[in-house]
Amino acid sequence: DAGITQSPRHKVTETGTPVTLRCHQTENHRYMYWYRQDPGHGLRLIHYSYGVKDTDKGEVSDGYSVSRSKTEDFLLTLESATSSQTSVYFCAISETGANTDTQYFGPGTRLTVL
Amino acid sequence: QKEVEQDPGPLSVPEGAIVSLNCTYSNSAFQYFMWYRQYSRKGPELLMYTYSSGNKEDGRFTAQVDKSSKYISLFIRDSQPSDSATYLCAMRVTSGTYKYIFGTGTRLKVLA
Repeated sequence: DAGITQSPRHKVTETGTPVTLRCHQTENHRYMYWYRQDPGHGLRLIHYSYGVKDTDKGEVSDGYSVSRSKTEDFLLTLESATSSQTSVYFCAISETGANTDTQYFGPGTRLTVL
Repeated sequence: QKEVEQDPGPLSVPEGAIVSLNCTYSNSAFQYFMWYRQYSRKGPELLMYTYSSGNKEDGRFTAQVDKSSKYISLFIRDSQPSDSATYLCAMRVTSGTYKYIFGTGTRLKVLA
């Protein structure tokens, strides 16, 4: 298994509170991603990073911010959590090259916003 | 219209059957195509990766890409109960971005 960990694995919080999810990799991969997965929507990209301090928005970025100060860590912050942000959040890493295009996923964080 | 469409299922088949899972897409710039398997309450795991058109085989799994029809398929031969999972297709364009677009997933049940 690719060395990806996510913390926390489960979190229950209240509307309006800030929440930070952490993704940590030991593979030294350049690209890191945050997705959310909801029934009927599949995996949707929130933000991704293509290097330290280099990030870009995905299709559902409103209400989320990210930071990457080190290659191995990618943080996702919900500035003021809302019930619509209740979801399962997956971090992924990838390394592309001439003959490969693979993305590895972490175990997920189950977030409930009450 | 979503860029990638996938029938959500569930698809139920008897053990030993050949399973066909499919995705259609609208963006002709997609060049990289992937299939992931996701067990309940786990992260997706990469099964197959194909660049551009053609077939790729790995054990009981075969991935096909038909770019003229904007259609990709995953075939599972001699399906087993352990293949019961959700299968997601994913794709991305060649250059300029490393964003992946996923289908919604097809839930497969292989009955013993």
